[in-house]
Amino acid sequence: DVVLTQTPLSLSVTPGQPASISCKSSQSLLHSDGKTFLYWYLQKPGQSPQLLIYAVSSRFSGVPDRFSGSGSGTDFTLKISRVEAEDVGVYYCMQGIHLPLTFGGGTKVEIK
Amino acid sequence: QVQLVESGGGVVQPGGSLRLSCAASGFTFSAFGMHWVRLAPGKGLQWVAFVRFDGSHKYYGDSVRGRFTISRDNSQSTVSLQMINVRTEDTAIYYCAREDTDLSDAFDIWGQGTMVTVSS
Repeated sequence: DVVLTQTPLSLSVTPGQPASISCKSSQSLLHSDGKTFLYWYLQKPGQSPQLLIYAVSSRFSGVPDRFSGSGSGTDFTLKISRVEAEDVGVYYCMQGIHLPLTFGGGTKVEIK
Repeated sequence: QVQLVESGGGVVQPGGSLRLSCAASGFTFSAFGMHWVRLAPGKGLQWVAFVRFDGSHKYYGDSVRGRFTISRDNSQSTVSLQMINVRTEDTAIYYCAREDTDLSDAFDIWGQGTMVTVSS
């Protein structure tokens, strides 16, 4: 199975400051069609997961532009340019190319 | 509006069975693949199962293969997860999620989840 290793496990961020989460895959997530099947989800407290980023760097509809994704192959990063109070929760990366589909272990973001 | 609503969760004894359902509305259900994902207490998200838009292909996570069966009824816009021989480690919130091929197969819509507790 593909292992996605997220770091850090947790982040405490001052509002307005940036935050960055790393996701490293044990196998390449690049498909032969040129697409990379790496996503980022946020699960806010008491809510269902919600899609933030798909295909490494494409923001889902309605996601603020302070969220950005980057990376290629096996190394990926989610960045929040200026953290806001509503960004608290657990962030997960996920790969969609190799079965079984797998999630990273999650990164808990809290506000200082 | 576009919505997924899960039902069927509850308390079940180890070795027992349970059937979860997910009702879709607000979109053409038969055009989308559907997944089940779970969140166990104190753990992270875990993918459980997938069924293709037409029901022709089904895939499972390693820990549930042979015990769980995913199915769908496009005439009723529902996807189900039949769970048999459940274990305490199956205790989790179970979410159904829609896969959108236009978003590189991302899970763009999620239900609110249904809680399954396996306990004697």
